[in-house]
Amino acid sequence: GAVVSQHPSRVICKSGTSVKIECRSLDFQATTMFWYRQFPKKSLMLMATSNEGSKATYEQGVEKDKFLINHASLTLSTLTVTSAHPEDSSFYICSARDTGGSPLHFGNGTRLTVT
Amino acid sequence: QKEVEQNSGPLSVPEGAIASLNCTYSDRVSQSFFWYRQYSGKSPELIMSIYSNGDKEDGRFTAQLNKASQYVSLLIRDSQPSDSATYLCAVVLQKLVFGQGTRLTINP
Repeated sequence: GAVVSQHPSRVICKSGTSVKIECRSLDFQATTMFWYRQFPKKSLMLMATSNEGSKATYEQGVEKDKFLINHASLTLSTLTVTSAHPEDSSFYICSARDTGGSPLHFGNGTRLTVT
Repeated sequence: QKEVEQNSGPLSVPEGAIASLNCTYSDRVSQSFFWYRQYSGKSPELIMSIYSNGDKEDGRFTAQLNKASQYVSLLIRDSQPSDSATYLCAVVLQKLVFGQGTRLTINP
């Protein structure tokens, strides 16, 4: 089945620094990947849609300059949280689908803690 | 009205019983429906997908879809403690939208 790998699984950083999270589709090509954020006991919230070779599409309220998305190849998308602050501490999860109608497969998530 | 609604629970079910999880959605043209299971601190994993009216069974899991009433449900038979998790309903509404999830606890 489709496998999505996400790295790192946990990261602790100081306020003001930047953190990069990688998302890879291991056995399929993903022209589109999705980045979600989940706060404790809350549901998944879509942050942005990452499109290979073009700009990401951000959901309303998500700052594109703060959450930089790069989708340079068909198997890799990265999310960079720039100038992180404690309120950015959350569980970030990427996902992808291998064909248009198939369900999303999720990476294992990245637990970001900003101190 | 939220696009995808679930009862947040918690829902407690004795071991061996049937757990019933429900989800309603707002957009009549939705065609794809999914149930995900999420353990605490983990990312969601796909349990079931359903695209047409009726029931779809996979092992102890049965998904039920009623497009006329705009609801989709998940039944878990012979519930096990390992089924304790948050169950997320997801519906394709131009994009994939998740419900808030239902916390299910199976009591031994």
